[in-house]
Formats: sequence, structure tokens, C-alpha cells
Amino acid sequence: NAGVTQTPKFQVLKTGQSMTLQCAQDMNHNSMYWYRQDPGMGLRLIYYSASEGTTDKGEVPNGYNVSRLNKREFSLRLESAAPSQTSVYFCASTDKVMGAYNEQFFGPGTRLTVL
Amino acid sequence: GNSVTQMEGPVTLSEEAFLTINCTYTATGYPSLFWYVQYPGEGLQLLLKATKADDKGSNKGFEATYRKETTSFHLEKGSVQVSDSAVYFCALSNTGRRALTFGSGTRLQVQP
Repeated sequence: NAGVTQTPKFQVLKTGQSMTLQCAQDMNHNSMYWYRQDPGMGLRLIYYSASEGTTDKGEVPNGYNVSRLNKREFSLRLESAAPSQTSVYFCASTDKVMGAYNEQFFGPGTRLTVL
Repeated sequence: GNSVTQMEGPVTLSEEAFLTINCTYTATGYPSLFWYVQYPGEGLQLLLKATKADDKGSNKGFEATYRKETTSFHLEKGSVQVSDSAVYFCALSNTGRRALTFGSGTRLQVQP
């Protein structure tokens, strides 16, 4: 039982390049999330998917797109990377318990640098 | 909207000292409250949680009590160890938002 996995662990891009961050979970959770972590700002929600087939914007969606490929996988795409997107990206998943959302389980993160 | 405010770090303590990290929140309704811990180079792990007023969450010697009257969820530990050195995040979950709202994190450094 691997929990939440993310690839790659590290990536360096040049401004304008594109890439996709991959995330998968094996806990049969319905809901999945992408966050970015920047120094002194905690984690901020980029996009989330409440269930398979649905996606919604979070606090900081500009410059990103997402795909909920199936129940297990939720990918984050940067179409044209900018230095402001240098950050650590975390994927998370959760499910409802007694009608409320429970704690989230996090992947190990992807450290992205955009030059 | 929802927000979480944590005390700024770093917090530097000697081993066996008492730890308090303050956390206050603003939210509509009745959120669930969480403390997450992030060790160097790793993702976030749930440390403890509380889902209603006056609940006390506890784990690995850490405790926090959900105080609705003061909108607080302060983290405490009676005797810290070097292995507790990490970044601690307070967070809340509001069912309307379906996502966690995090504080900015507090770095704890424990010296032997």
C-alpha cells in the first residue's frame, strides 16, 4: 500500500517549457488535490477534484491545468512555465467520513525550479 | 472566508523543554482542525486532529484542544526531543470548501 505517489521528485525547466506532474493514490479515495508550497506561505490549493470526472479551481489556478484521468490518477500540467511557478508541489487525497471530509493524505512532493 | 494564523518561527528549544505553538482560525460553520508535521525533505503527515468543540487530539506526546470560544487550536508537548525538529502546520477543513486551509507553518528546532 503505497498511499500517494508523485513523479518526478525534482524537475528543472526553462521559462516557456511545459511539463506534467503525475499523482496516483491507491486508497480508493474520491477526492484529490494539488497544492503548492512556498516559503512563509504554507500550502495553497491550485486545483481539486471532488470525484472522478470533476475538477474545480482553488486559490491559485492561473497557469495550470489538471486532468482527473481515473479514480486513482490526478495530473497537473504547466503549459508554459514561468519563474513564479518555482515551488514544491504536493498532491493529496481524502474521502468523506460521516458526511464530512476527513484528513488528507499527502505525497512526497515535486520540487520544481523554473529558470 | 477561511483563514489560519500561526505563530512565526523558528522556535528553538532545548531537549526536554515545553512546547507551545499557537494557532487561531477564522471559519464559517464548524470546521475540523488539524496539525500536520513536515520533516525535512518529506511530505506532510497528519499529527493530530479534532472535529468538534472541546475535543482534544493527541499523538506522540503532542496535544491540542479545539477551543471554539477563542477560535484556537494550540499545539503543546511537555518534553520535546531532537527528533521533533520539523515544520508544523495548523489547518482547517470546512465541508463547504472541500479542501484544507493551512497556516504558514512554524519551524521547530530542538537542540540537544
